[in-house]
Amino acid sequence: DARVTQTPRHKVTEMGQEVTMRCQPILGHNTVFWYRQTMMQGLELLAYFRNRAPLDDSGMPKDRFSAEMPDATLATLKIQPSEPRDSAVYFCASVLSGLNTGELFFGEGSRLTVL
Amino acid sequence: AQKITQTQPGMFVQEKEAVTLDCTYDTSDPSYGLFWYKQPSSGEMIFLIYQGSYDQQNATEGRYSLNFQKARKSANLVISASQLGDSAMYFCAMSWHRDDKIIFGKGTRLHILP
Repeated sequence: DARVTQTPRHKVTEMGQEVTMRCQPILGHNTVFWYRQTMMQGLELLAYFRNRAPLDDSGMPKDRFSAEMPDATLATLKIQPSEPRDSAVYFCASVLSGLNTGELFFGEGSRLTVL
Repeated sequence: AQKITQTQPGMFVQEKEAVTLDCTYDTSDPSYGLFWYKQPSSGEMIFLIYQGSYDQQNATEGRYSLNFQKARKSANLVISASQLGDSAMYFCAMSWHRDDKIIFGKGTRLHILP
């Protein structure tokens, strides 16, 4: 059963600590998205990659967030240093470019709490 | 500007009634897609329906239909004969075929009342 896998599912950390979230996209999917969900802002696009190359990371606070795809099976989102306002659910999603069906395959999300 | 707007933060609807969730968008690209996702309290994202910008007819999937009005740049979701299980957060989203970018609106929380 193909699925997007995200780790960790839950993370509680203290302000100032580094947080790394990982995502394994569905095998064969070449486009990977990172979204952040909060009550106030809904689902915000942070960054996305196609064929491992970053296409848009304008939604990310550049001073503390970074996103990479070390290889086709792994995407990472790092926050350093973390702040309480970063508390949110972070979703990774993947898709095969060009299908244009609208169907993104989402992971279960990583719920981050920064104290 | 690339933007998706959902103006209804929350809605209460009586069971069995039809529901319309509003969504407007802004783009200058001619080739794009519009779609809707449902997020129940469990948190998973469930794909509901998709409409391409060149599709002539409105998309339908079971009880869901997408009322696509291109000139008005709106893509409202219509749920016919609502059920208690329809209570959830609903997100409107837009994709650009040029670069695969996908953005979401802020969502509408739908409550179906028995």
